[in-house]
Amino acid sequence: GAVVSQHPSRVICKSGTSVKIECRSLDFQATTMFWYRQFPKQSLMLMATSNEGSKATYEQGVEKDKFLINHASLTLSTLTVTSAHPEDSSFYICSARAPSILMERDTQYFGPGTRLTVL
Amino acid sequence: RKEVEQDPGPFNVPEGATVAFNCTYSNSASQSFFWYRQDCRKEPKLLMSVYSSGNEDGRFTAQLNRASQYISLLIRDSKLSDSATYLCVVNGAGPGRTSGTYKYIFGTGTRLKVLA
Repeated sequence: GAVVSQHPSRVICKSGTSVKIECRSLDFQATTMFWYRQFPKQSLMLMATSNEGSKATYEQGVEKDKFLINHASLTLSTLTVTSAHPEDSSFYICSARAPSILMERDTQYFGPGTRLTVL
Repeated sequence: RKEVEQDPGPFNVPEGATVAFNCTYSNSASQSFFWYRQDCRKEPKLLMSVYSSGNEDGRFTAQLNRASQYISLLIRDSKLSDSATYLCVVNGAGPGRTSGTYKYIFGTGTRLKVLA
């Protein structure tokens, strides 16, 4: 399957700082990437859809000014958690959409995730 | 009602057993379906897509029932390494699907423990 990398894998930071997470598709070009958040024992929740060259589309309840997304190239999307607070501590996972001939068969490949702990 | 529902388990089965998971979805317009596997504190990994005619990959068989809006995953001859959480994923089309945008809707996952 396709390879998606994510960096860093783990971050511990103080409350009020900003944290930047990078997501890269290594062997294919991804016009669309996704950012998810997963709390312990819960399902993945989509935060936003990142489109190359345009603004991200945020899910309801996700603050776009707090979670800044930039998709500057076909292989890189970044998520910046601004002024992080302890309640932002979570597992952040990105994915990249790999197109197939049939659009509905497009699949997502996930990065290894970033575990954020805000003290 | 949740958009995608799964029995959270855990399903505890002995090695060699056959185990089946079901998943129901609410959006009848959903077009594509997947099973992902997630190990503890790791990212989800694609296990298999689910096609209308049903499909098999080794010990794994996936089926789709559009009329009843459920998909299933059957694992035969369970191995210890099959222990994981199995996520049912439905392509719940978001706005602008005609432009090629879509989004995944995840179930909460079913935990499987294969016991020696």
